[in-house]
Amino acid sequence: DAGITQSPRHKVTETGTPVTLRCHQTENHRYMYWYRQDPGHGLRLIHYSYGVKDTDKGEVSDGYSVSRSKTEDFLLTLESATSSQTSVYFCAISDYLGRMNTEAFFGQGTRLTVV
Amino acid sequence: DQQVKQNSPSLSVQEGRISILNCDYTNSMFDYFLWYKKYPAEGPTFLISISSIKDKNEDGRFTVFLNKSAKHLSLHIVPSQPGDSAVYFCAASANNQGGKLIFGQGTELSVKP
Repeated sequence: DAGITQSPRHKVTETGTPVTLRCHQTENHRYMYWYRQDPGHGLRLIHYSYGVKDTDKGEVSDGYSVSRSKTEDFLLTLESATSSQTSVYFCAISDYLGRMNTEAFFGQGTRLTVV
Repeated sequence: DQQVKQNSPSLSVQEGRISILNCDYTNSMFDYFLWYKKYPAEGPTFLISISSIKDKNEDGRFTVFLNKSAKHLSLHIVPSQPGDSAVYFCAASANNQGGKLIFGQGTELSVKP
């Protein structure tokens, strides 16, 4: 199994509070991704990173920010949580090589509930 | 605008029979396709993939077929086993897009003993 750890695994927070989810990898992969999973939508990309301090937006980036100060850590922040951000969040990593697609490996997920 | 679609939310199959899961896509730039399997409370796990230069890829009981002209792929599981019961997601990516995956909605497969 790919070395990916997400923390926390579960979190309940109140509307309007900031929340940070952490993804830590031990594989030294360059690419890291944050997805959310919602019923009827599958997994949707929030943000991704292609290197330290290099990030870009995905399909559903509004209300989220990310940071990557080290290769192994990718943080997802909800600046002011809303009920629509209640979801299961998955981090993924990939050793994507630029011209050749490859699979991504996923963490166990973080279940976030905004009340 | 759903670029990858799995139109069957659920599928029930008898143990030992074939399971066929389908996936359609709209973006002609997609050139790599993957299937992931997901159990409850776990992350998706990679199952099998296919490049657009092929029309079939096989790995044990799992075979993926790609029909580029129809923009359709399918996953065949033969024979199906109760342990195959899970949600299956198809995903697609385009070259030079940072390995970003676009997922379908998922199909929940139930294999009954």
